[in-house]
Amino acid sequence: DSGVTQTPKHLITATGQRVTLRCSPRSGDLSVYWYQQSLDQGLQFLIQYYNGEERAKGNILERFSAQQFPDLHSELNLSSLELGDSALYFCASSARVWEAEQFFGPGTRLTVL
Amino acid sequence: AQRVTQPEKLLSVFKGAPVELKCNYSYSGSPELFWYVQYSRQRLQLLLRHISRESIKGFTADLNKGETSFHLKKPFAQEEDSAMYYCALRRNQGGKLIFGQGTELSVKP
Repeated sequence: DSGVTQTPKHLITATGQRVTLRCSPRSGDLSVYWYQQSLDQGLQFLIQYYNGEERAKGNILERFSAQQFPDLHSELNLSSLELGDSALYFCASSARVWEAEQFFGPGTRLTVL
Repeated sequence: AQRVTQPEKLLSVFKGAPVELKCNYSYSGSPELFWYVQYSRQRLQLLLRHISRESIKGFTADLNKGETSFHLKKPFAQEEDSAMYYCALRRNQGGKLIFGQGTELSVKP
């Protein structure tokens, strides 16, 4: 599959814990975006990386951090988890920063108990 | 502030009926507007963007800058059109997408 991949598909954890979500962009895409989809907030942009560098930040909590590695895969780290962090986390990629079309991954469903 | 509003959470129509999914935006500059679709158990995928002015799967959308709207239309709905539809805005030359809350389209036989 040459599309955007995300692991794991599902994650169930407890409050206070820390998790890492992983995203592999489409082959050749340099830009990675993270979005959070929750029932009350809808789809919200979290953060963008381009070729390893942070490019833009949205409503990302301080408890959350991300990075993009030299092989262009990205990880989103969520710590001190709260019940309200339960959501679907999407990763998207595009070829360039200015590229309009973003290709989305299947998402990781995080449940915090 | 940039905002995208989709006033209908759910839109239910019968097969063959016309469909219009509403989208209004607020942005002071010249945005790029998109419609994304998410079929059941599938990932979000791009349906239309305003700059291409094309018709995909019978859907069209026209950017109305005066009314700040980008409504999605299809003259004859099909059952396979049932899905979640998201309107999104991208600032000119900006990377992130700002999404509306989404509208669930249900096309009944």
